[in-house]
Amino acid sequence: DTGVSQDPRHKITKRGQNVTFRCDPISEHNRLYWYRQTLGQGPEFLTYFQNEAQLEKSRLLSDRFSAERPKGSFSTLEIQRTEQGDSAMYLCASSFSPSGVSYEQYFGPGTRLTVT
Amino acid sequence: KQEVTQIPAALSVPEGENLVLNCSFTDSAIYNLQWFRQDPGKGLTSLLLIQSSQREQTSGRLNASLDKSSGRSTLYIAASQPGDSATYLCAVTPGAQKLVFGQGTRLTINP
Repeated sequence: DTGVSQDPRHKITKRGQNVTFRCDPISEHNRLYWYRQTLGQGPEFLTYFQNEAQLEKSRLLSDRFSAERPKGSFSTLEIQRTEQGDSAMYLCASSFSPSGVSYEQYFGPGTRLTVT
Repeated sequence: KQEVTQIPAALSVPEGENLVLNCSFTDSAIYNLQWFRQDPGKGLTSLLLIQSSQREQTSGRLNASLDKSSGRSTLYIAASQPGDSATYLCAVTPGAQKLVFGQGTRLTINP
């Protein structure tokens, strides 16, 4: 068990560019979550997957954001036409939830995005 | 809409003291409550998970309690150490899926 990993750890991009982040969950975990955290605030929920199905999306997830988990393993989060307001830490978490109830979530180290 | 509040926002205490961090939530219909630690610029480390049917959980020098009826949880840290300095986040699971977080308490332990 190597924990949740995220790549890259840091990303600096210019406004208007597209960026993609990757998350690899703990191998036996069927649920995967994305959160966004800005400085001094707690993380805010963006979206989550159960296996390959995306079951919920926050209204924070504008049309410029898209997430996938094609084979129920790793996930990608893409932001198109980045804006300065997208600058934040993007956190991925996973959990093992066999009966639909959420158990303990384990977080990755995050991807720090800076839009200049 | 579930809202989570943590008080105080920041706390500074001398090494060796016992301390309590507070968390309150507006809707008592939660599945569980989780306490996390976050070091600057890092991800979250899970400290304790309390399921809705439980009243408390303990891990080493940490003890977390849950009172669903009053919408409150506390994290007790015994014999604090400089290495305990971090931001502590409380989060609840209102609908068995996502976590709703408080803004955190930034804790500094002075040697």
